[in-house]
Amino acid sequence: DAGVTQSPTHLIKTRGQQVTLRCSPKSGHDTVSWYQQALGQGPQFIFQYYEEEERQRGNFPDRFSGHQFPNYSSELNVNALLLGDSALYLCASSSRQRPFLVDKSGNTIYFGEGSWLTVV
Amino acid sequence: AQKVTQAQTEISVVEKEDVTLDCVYETRDTTYYLFWYKQPPSGELVFLIRRNSFDEQNEISGRYSWNFQKSTSSFNFTITASQVVDSAVYFCALSEAGRYTGANSKLTFGKGITLSVRP
Repeated sequence: DAGVTQSPTHLIKTRGQQVTLRCSPKSGHDTVSWYQQALGQGPQFIFQYYEEEERQRGNFPDRFSGHQFPNYSSELNVNALLLGDSALYLCASSSRQRPFLVDKSGNTIYFGEGSWLTVV
Repeated sequence: AQKVTQAQTEISVVEKEDVTLDCVYETRDTTYYLFWYKQPPSGELVFLIRRNSFDEQNEISGRYSWNFQKSTSSFNFTITASQVVDSAVYFCALSEAGRYTGANSKLTFGKGITLSVRP
């Protein structure tokens, strides 16, 4: 059973460019959340997608946008990149349909390995 | 608004010492979940424990134990007989939740505690 997969793993962009990051949730999960983790900080919630709609949003500008596809996979888009957008971007998947579905460890929210974005 | 405070930023111990990582949270919700994650240098968040606000029972899992106290809004994590492999950044996180809807994957994280275990 594949867990959460993210791509690309690492990428370097120039200020002003646009970037798209991708996430495939764990099999059976229908909800995807995105987080930004700057160096030395905890992850910060960007937004959450369920049923192809943005359901919740954190304190991030409109330059950050997303999309969820019918197969539950998701994309995070960042426009007009700034140096401060350099961070690890994490995707988390969970299930709204079966919120108490847990694995042996008691986990219900699964994170991918992240995409390291460097803006130069 | 929810908030998680991890006042300790860096902790260094010698192998086999016990170490406690502190976590204090703030929320207006009566139903919520608390988590601890471990993050090695590779970046992946490794799940350690999930606890709901209705269950204040402390838990022990091998060398790990957790002390949840609603009265002080704390959810502390203790590693007994630490090992070099425990070196990582540890995050405490909080999620809002409905009693019948489980943990929401919108998590509020603390700033993390860097634990270094020396041989």
